[in-house]
Parts: sequence; C-alpha cells; structure tokens
Amino acid sequence: KAGVTQTPRYLIKTRGQQVTLSCSPISGHRSVSWYQQTPGQGLQFLFEYFSETQRNKGNFPGRFSGRQFSNSRSEMNVSTLELGDSALYLCASSPGQANEKLFFGSGTQLSVL
Amino acid sequence: DQQVKQNSPSLSVQEGRISILNCDYTNSMFDYFLWYKKYPAEGPTFLISISSIKDKNEDGRFTVFLNKSAKHLSLHIVPSQPGDSAVYFCAASADDKIIFGKGTRLHILP
Repeated sequence: KAGVTQTPRYLIKTRGQQVTLSCSPISGHRSVSWYQQTPGQGLQFLFEYFSETQRNKGNFPGRFSGRQFSNSRSEMNVSTLELGDSALYLCASSPGQANEKLFFGSGTQLSVL
Repeated sequence: DQQVKQNSPSLSVQEGRISILNCDYTNSMFDYFLWYKKYPAEGPTFLISISSIKDKNEDGRFTVFLNKSAKHLSLHIVPSQPGDSAVYFCAASADDKIIFGKGTRLHILP
C-alpha cells in the first residue's frame, strides 16, 4: 500500500503570494488532517476533513483553508503569505476517526521570503 | 493554552541505557495517548499508544506508562540505540481531536 503522498516537497514563495499544497492519503483512508510544524512549536493542528467535509478546525486565521475531494485527496491553501508561515506542513490520514493512529506524509517545506 | 506539555526540549542518553521521555496533560477528557517519532525531513511515524483504561503498554524496547491521577505519561526506551535519535512527540486524543506536544529531541550518545 502506498503511503501518504504530499506535493510539492519544497516550495519558496514571497510575502503576499498564495500557495496550494496537495495531499493524497493512503488508499481507503477517509480522514485527512493538516498540521503545521515550526521549530519550538511542535505540531499545530490546522484542520481535518472527512468525506469532503471539514470536521474539525484549529486556531489558525482564515488565510488558511482546505478542501477534500471525493477521492479523499486533500488540498490546503494559504493566501496572503506572511514570513511567519514558513514551516513544514504535514498531512496525515486515518481510516475513519481523526483520533486513531495517524499516518503522516513527509511534508511540504514552505519558505516565505 | 497548552494541553499537552513536553517540558524537556532535548535529552541525551548513553547508548545501551534507558531513555525516559515525559509528557503531561491538562485535559482529563483525553482517553487515548500516542507517541510518534520523527526523523529530519520525514513525517512522524507512530510508535506506541495507550488507552486510558490501562496504565502500561509494552512493545519490544518501548514501554509507555500512564498515570491518570497525575495526568502524566512517559515513554521508556531500553536499551537505547543510535537509531533512536529523533524527535519524539506525545499526543493525546478525545472525541475526534488529537493534540500534540512540542516534542523532545533525543540524542543517543555513543
């Protein structure tokens, strides 16, 4: 079974731009969660999607948004990028419940200049 | 409001000795706890978990202990090996939410 796939692996953007990150979950997994990892802040929860519906949301501004498609693939979008958005963005999938064991992708390293 | 706390940002342990990583939580509604391990440039991988109805779970060299009254859990690795050098995240879940700690970087010394 293929693991969680995130694209692109690295991304460099400038302030004010927007970015879209993609995540393909493990086949059969219906829950997709997104996390932001920055040095010293650990893994901060962004949002979770299940069957194309946002089921949970973390404490991030509205510039961060996401969606899930019928095949469970998910995208997250960040608009009006700020320097502080530089981070590793991780996607994780699980079969159903978001509190089950999560399977993470390798992440997208976003640098905002 | 940090619901899951890993108070040691880093820990160094001699190869062959026991590594003990600690985690505290504040929300008594958490009913499932997990540990993840993360190498640089990779996503976290699941290591071991424990339900709140248990106080110990063991898997090979890894044992997780849960003390509900103290709202504390710990991960024991024995014996520690060089490949154990990584960042370890503690996580706690309730309902459909998982909260992660900030992680502890474990260095295994030769």
